[in-house]
Amino acid sequence: SQQGEEDPQALSIQEGENATMNCSYKTSINNLQWYRQNSGRGLVHLILIRSNEREKHSGRLRVTLDTSKKSSSLLITASRAADTASYFCATDETGANNLFFGTGTRLTVIP
Amino acid sequence: GAGVSQSPSNKVTEKGKDVELRCDPISGHTALYWYRQSLGQGLEFLIYFQGNSAPDKSGLPSDRFSAERTGGSVSTLTIQRTQQEDSAVYLCASSLATGLNTEAFFGQGTRLTVV
Repeated sequence: SQQGEEDPQALSIQEGENATMNCSYKTSINNLQWYRQNSGRGLVHLILIRSNEREKHSGRLRVTLDTSKKSSSLLITASRAADTASYFCATDETGANNLFFGTGTRLTVIP
Repeated sequence: GAGVSQSPSNKVTEKGKDVELRCDPISGHTALYWYRQSLGQGLEFLIYFQGNSAPDKSGLPSDRFSAERTGGSVSTLTIQRTQQEDSAVYLCASSLATGLNTEAFFGQGTRLTVV
């Protein structure tokens, strides 16, 4: 089963612009994570935000979490062509001790 | 090894044959996950192992799918009597613990093609 849903499904921006992706989920969580996937193979962990945190930064990444709305956003600032990839949110569901992934956002950064 | 290793990288099999996919997690990681990803789609959860606890098999799509994890380390996903709809990339991931810190490390996947 998939816990989260990302939107938009696809996003195309110019290099240097900011990219914002959103994730909504359904149940209580311990934490929410964002992953990146290139070329349809292994995923790479980007950032984890705990359920008691509201915002977190890592380099050009900014993640927010609103547990009342069961939603999160990932902001990539000053995008680069190398940021082109698919981005997934994943939720660690309370009591389930598992990781459920969303449907993903395909980001294209045009040089 | 330094990361999660999956083998084979690619597998082409005839419809009706059985296949085994292998995952070597990072040493010391107690949690191991299997996911399936069809082309252009999200990750579909299949099965989850945590230490010596009974695995969470709730994601297995049919009784043709099974998985084992021997000695709390290597895992094998078996698909019996493969069908064309089984064609996908099968991803394995492991993590150190669950609860507060569940960052998962992924292998490069096995691309299964059933012809």
